Amino acid sequence: GQSLEQPSEVTAVEGAIVQINCTYQTSGFYGLSWYQQHDGGAPTFLSYNALDGLEETGRFSSFLSRSDSYGYLLLQELQMKDSASYFCAVRSNTGGFKTIFGAGTRLFVKA
Amino acid sequence: DVKVTQSSRYLVKRTGEKVFLECVQDMDHENMFWYRQDPGLGLRLIYFSYDVKMKEKGDIPEGYSVSREKKERFSLILESASTNQTSMYLCASSLSGTSGSNEQFFGPGTRLTVL
Repeated sequence: GQSLEQPSEVTAVEGAIVQINCTYQTSGFYGLSWYQQHDGGAPTFLSYNALDGLEETGRFSSFLSRSDSYGYLLLQELQMKDSASYFCAVRSNTGGFKTIFGAGTRLFVKA
Repeated sequence: DVKVTQSSRYLVKRTGEKVFLECVQDMDHENMFWYRQDPGLGLRLIYFSYDVKMKEKGDIPEGYSVSREKKERFSLILESASTNQTSMYLCASSLSGTSGSNEQFFGPGTRLTVL
């Protein structure tokens, strides 16, 4: 089957760096995505990794290791507005290239 | 900007009722998805469609059906609503293709309560 594991909650202070890990188990892996969802809002796309390594987009970076079935989202210079839920999602080539989401990590940023 | 709209933000229905949730996207995306979101469970895929009149079961299709008669519209149908279908329902769309991120664009969600 397919599954993803990520921590349920992470707390960090404003200005700090936080890393949200994601391990996955899937057949036919295509890529790992990250989405952000604020309370009451819709998920929005942050990043995608198809190959091993680090992808940087402003304050956010995402890393993938295909051999370890592992990835992480790195948030730098944390701001209060980064308080949200973060979902990792795996795209596989089974079942018509569907995407499976993790349960989400709730990030609390404290002043 | 891609826009995905859903017919209702909040909906209250009675057990046994037939419920229709509508989703429309305006960016000519081939793929459309229906998820339900429950606390601690993330987004679970109910059904998806990669073309008009095509549909594929997701991970939790039981109790649901879908319809895609036009490319821009994807409907989720609860044939006989039950209390365990009380949830947030999210629609999403994406471009087709095997390359690229398959970034999904989500609608605002419909919070359905079944009494």
